[in-house]
Amino acid sequence: DAGITQSPRYKITETGRQVTLMCHQTWSHSYMFWYRQDLGHGLRLIYYSAAADITDKGEVPDGYVVSRSKTENFPLTLESATRSQTSVYFCASRAGRRSGNTIYFGEGSWLTVV
Amino acid sequence: AQSVAQPEDQVNVAEGNPLTVKCTYSVSGNPYLFWYVQYPNRGLQFLLKYITGDNLVKGSYGFEAEFNKSQTSFHLKKPSALVSDSALYFCAVRSENQAGTALIFGKGTTLSVSS
Repeated sequence: DAGITQSPRYKITETGRQVTLMCHQTWSHSYMFWYRQDLGHGLRLIYYSAAADITDKGEVPDGYVVSRSKTENFPLTLESATRSQTSVYFCASRAGRRSGNTIYFGEGSWLTVV
Repeated sequence: AQSVAQPEDQVNVAEGNPLTVKCTYSVSGNPYLFWYVQYPNRGLQFLLKYITGDNLVKGSYGFEAEFNKSQTSFHLKKPSALVSDSALYFCAVRSENQAGTALIFGKGTTLSVSS
């Protein structure tokens, strides 16, 4: 029972480089989310997806791109990384209504932009 | 607009004492309310949720939360704290009417349980 997995778990990159964080879930949940966690801000929503090929912006989408060609995958790309994007990134998926719409999180991806 | 407030950045309790972590919310319509716990360098783990029904909700690890509609609160409680309960706790909410939206999270409360 893999659940939701993120890769890489830890990444150091340079300013201006493109970085992609991968997210894979095995539950076939329709909804998937990307959050970033920063001290003093809690979790902020970057993008979310209601289904394959349907994505929408969250609270802090600037500098990020997402895609969802398959239900189980929801990669997050930083097109040109900046130091302000140093953060912990969490992918999540949401169970159906019968399960109370509970959101389940991956273990996180720690990204440092130098 | 939906919002969640966790008024305390940190809560300190002694092992064996009861603990409360506070949460208040603002949504239009009926709320779906959640508590999550995060241990160092880990993802968020689901603790409990209120969707409808009994105002007292029981969850994992002996935690419970009480939904109070008039006070728009959903405080997390445990009768007897353990040192292993020390972690970061997040309250989250969304409106029942907005199925297409994500959860809104509070800024988190660090719980420290001393032995």
